Amino acid sequence: AQKVTQAQTEISVVEKEDVTLDCVYETRDTTYYLFWYKQPPSGELVFLIRRNSFDEQNEISGRYSWNFQKSTSSFNFTITASQVVDSAVYFCALSGVNTGFQKLVFGTGTRLLVSP
Amino acid sequence: GAVVSQHPSWVICKSGTSVKIECRSLDFQATTMFWYRQFPKQSLMLMATSNEGSKATYEQGVEKDKFLINHASLTLSTLTVTSAHPEDSSFYICSELTDPTDTQYFGPGTRLTVL
Repeated sequence: AQKVTQAQTEISVVEKEDVTLDCVYETRDTTYYLFWYKQPPSGELVFLIRRNSFDEQNEISGRYSWNFQKSTSSFNFTITASQVVDSAVYFCALSGVNTGFQKLVFGTGTRLLVSP
Repeated sequence: GAVVSQHPSWVICKSGTSVKIECRSLDFQATTMFWYRQFPKQSLMLMATSNEGSKATYEQGVEKDKFLINHASLTLSTLTVTSAHPEDSSFYICSELTDPTDTQYFGPGTRLTVL
């Protein structure tokens, strides 16, 4: 069975602080993808990143960075110098080869509140 | 990424009526689309997989006679909530799966309120 755990229900930071959102996953698939999506108050899910299970390189995109560690089954997301516009719910998700990468399993989400 | 639209963005209906939600792929021919439901402050739960030209595949616990899915073309999937009741009030989101990136891109969602 596949499972994604986001233990942090809600995080509050002040603008310009760095913040890390944790994601731990479980899967028996040998090949899988990990994703992060952002859901602002408007409701639409915005795709942020997809990581292949064979690629453990960390990735940086502007103020966003992701740390993928297979040894600990974690795919953490860090926002550097947070801004008010970063306030949203962030979902970590997983899809695996056994479902043809068609089924996304979501974590429960982490609500990030960035105050000015 | 792919662009997905949904219509309507919100709808309020009386208990017992049926509501149709459209999901359109604007820049991609999507053979596979997905329907999710999200209750307030909860995660997304997959309801069904919509396959163009064939019957949808429903997740366990989802009533296929209540949530009718039609995927008649490569750019349009519809979800009809039949005989809606207040407990069906939720945020319904569709997505399309892009090939070969195996990434799902989501529509803006439809908020359904059943009185």
